[in-house]
Amino acid sequence: DSGVTQTPKHLITATGQRVTLRCSPRSGDLSVYWYQQSLDQGLQFLIQYYNGEERAKGNILERFSAQQFPDLHSELNLSSLELGDSALYFCASSQWDSFGETQYFGPGTRLLVL
Amino acid sequence: GQQLNQSPQSMFIQEGEDVSMNCTSSSIFNTWLWYKQDPGEGPVLLIALYKAGELTSNGRLTAQFGITRKDSFLNISASIPSDVGIYFCAGHTSGSARQLTFGSGTQLTVLP
Repeated sequence: DSGVTQTPKHLITATGQRVTLRCSPRSGDLSVYWYQQSLDQGLQFLIQYYNGEERAKGNILERFSAQQFPDLHSELNLSSLELGDSALYFCASSQWDSFGETQYFGPGTRLLVL
Repeated sequence: GQQLNQSPQSMFIQEGEDVSMNCTSSSIFNTWLWYKQDPGEGPVLLIALYKAGELTSNGRLTAQFGITRKDSFLNISASIPSDVGIYFCAGHTSGSARQLTFGSGTQLTVLP
């Protein structure tokens, strides 16, 4: 158990709909990252938040948005869903020490768009 | 952006054999991380490397941060069935954007 929690574990919805994925980082971690993993694909970085502020953006579509709240949990909002948005969505939180940064992943949310 | 070339893409080995996989990049990386992902689960951190030349072990796993800082390898000794999964290398360069770059993964199958 990495200490990162994600809900829901599974989500089935229809094209055109909007969903919200939730992530709670490990206690004490200020950074949250979101990744998308399509079938048989690698991990694609979407966006990073640090202590409530957007820090870095990757390959995130305009239909997707995220935010991090004062209690440090984060939500990823996916709107106008398309079939191709079906994927595993992971969040990760990170800690820094004297050596560098390490990211710890949650169990993921499996999204199926029908 | 930075790219990591991970090889091999897949491996089929007999139980008990040793395994080696590696990642290379044209860019210099400050951190190398190795993760294992089981089907439908999140990647689990296996080993983290922070210094060039560093050699770190975690049980039957050994990983090294290349001297040039452009490569890393992961070795698994005496493989067992539960080693099956996808292994990802990941790393990040210096700079303000602290996003991890991931390799494309190595799918490992261990045959009894």
